[in-house]
Amino acid sequence: AQSVTQLGSHVSVSEGALVLLRCNYSSSVPPYLFWYVQYPNQGLQLLLKYTSAATLVKGINGFEAEFKKSETSFHLTKPSAHMSDAAEYFCAVWNSNSGYALNFGKGTSLLVTP
Amino acid sequence: GAGVSQSPRYKVAKRGQDVALRCDPISGHVSLFWYQQALGQGPEFLTYFQNEAQLDKSGLPSDRFFAERPEGSVSTLKIQRTQQEDSAVYLCASSNDPFGSYEQYFGPGTRLTVT
Repeated sequence: AQSVTQLGSHVSVSEGALVLLRCNYSSSVPPYLFWYVQYPNQGLQLLLKYTSAATLVKGINGFEAEFKKSETSFHLTKPSAHMSDAAEYFCAVWNSNSGYALNFGKGTSLLVTP
Repeated sequence: GAGVSQSPRYKVAKRGQDVALRCDPISGHVSLFWYQQALGQGPEFLTYFQNEAQLDKSGLPSDRFFAERPEGSVSTLKIQRTQQEDSAVYLCASSNDPFGSYEQYFGPGTRLTVT
């Protein structure tokens, strides 16, 4: 079985401040981990993914995430928030024992204030 | 190139009506997924196709839900006798790897409202 927990359904940061969105996973075998972003009335767009290579993963729009096996975490960070980063963010996990589907967390809504 | 497209983007159905939602995946992608996203929730898996074969339908919530991909390209998700609890955004995703494990490309979704 696998699951994803995103801590904090809503996160608010000031423009220019650090963005930290938390994701913890459980997986019985080595997982692949993903962060997706969803803007209003749009589909999901992949920000970055971890597929057992480097543990620090860099994605689009200045985001990065670090896979920490000991903490079963895959937190998403960005050094300086932009207004355009306001969106819903989803962490997802896949492993070879759990079929074909991505298993998503409930999402974190990021608000960026001027 | 063109991404995943879905139609209609919005659908209002009266309870008890049948609906059909269409997904056009990225050309050449072998894997196609359907997800259901309830308001304020993450997407939840419904079903998976590899080419025309439906390899996993474990997420379909009831036998009122049916999906097909007869020629290994376009897919249709059909919901019979819609209920209010079916109201959600239905997302389609495609992937060029057989298991969709590396990256799934999502369409904009169809927002279904059952009144």
